Amino acid sequence: GQSLEQPSEVTAVEGAIVQINCTYQTSGFYGLSWYQQHDGGAPTFLSYNALDGLEETGRFSSFLSRSDSYGYLLLQELQMKDSASYFCAVRDRSTGGFKTIFGAGTRLFVKA
Amino acid sequence: EPEVTQTPSHQVTQMGQEVILRCVPISNHLYFYWYRQILGQKVEFLVSFYNNEISEKSEIFDDQFSVERPDGSNFTLKIRSTKLEDSAMYFCASTTVETTNTGELFFGEGSRLTVL
Repeated sequence: GQSLEQPSEVTAVEGAIVQINCTYQTSGFYGLSWYQQHDGGAPTFLSYNALDGLEETGRFSSFLSRSDSYGYLLLQELQMKDSASYFCAVRDRSTGGFKTIFGAGTRLFVKA
Repeated sequence: EPEVTQTPSHQVTQMGQEVILRCVPISNHLYFYWYRQILGQKVEFLVSFYNNEISEKSEIFDDQFSVERPDGSNFTLKIRSTKLEDSAMYFCASTTVETTNTGELFFGEGSRLTVL
């Protein structure tokens, strides 16, 4: 099976930098994705890492270390609108086709 | 911008009734998925569908569940006999060949199912 661990919630102030960590266990690992979900909304794709290293997309960056089964999402210059849940998700291929398995999510609270 | 659309947005049903949730994936997408999210909990994988057949399913996706692509545009999830614990938000998602390699799933806005 697959398991992902991420903190349940994080609080930060506007303008700050926050890092959300994710560790995972899976036998058919292909890559690690990050999704944002506002209350009542759908998950929205943020980034994907298939190889080790840092991927940068504007204020958001994501890192992966395959040898450590670890990744993180870095959010810079935090804005109030960044208050949301953030899910790491492994893209996995085990018995059949691909599937994306989500972690339990990290609730980010951005304070003024 | 193309989007995944889902209907109904909210359905209330009695326990034991059959429910069909409908999704129209983005038109050039080939891989389709159903996920569910119980309120305040994580997004749980149910099933993936490619080339008119199920490619993966989770333990949640038991005999009460089925999926179908009845025509070239719709992708449906049927719950044969709903239980109270089926109450959740059900998300449909789709990807192309290219975005399945970049890990991006395009989600619909969800169908909220309430079983009484």
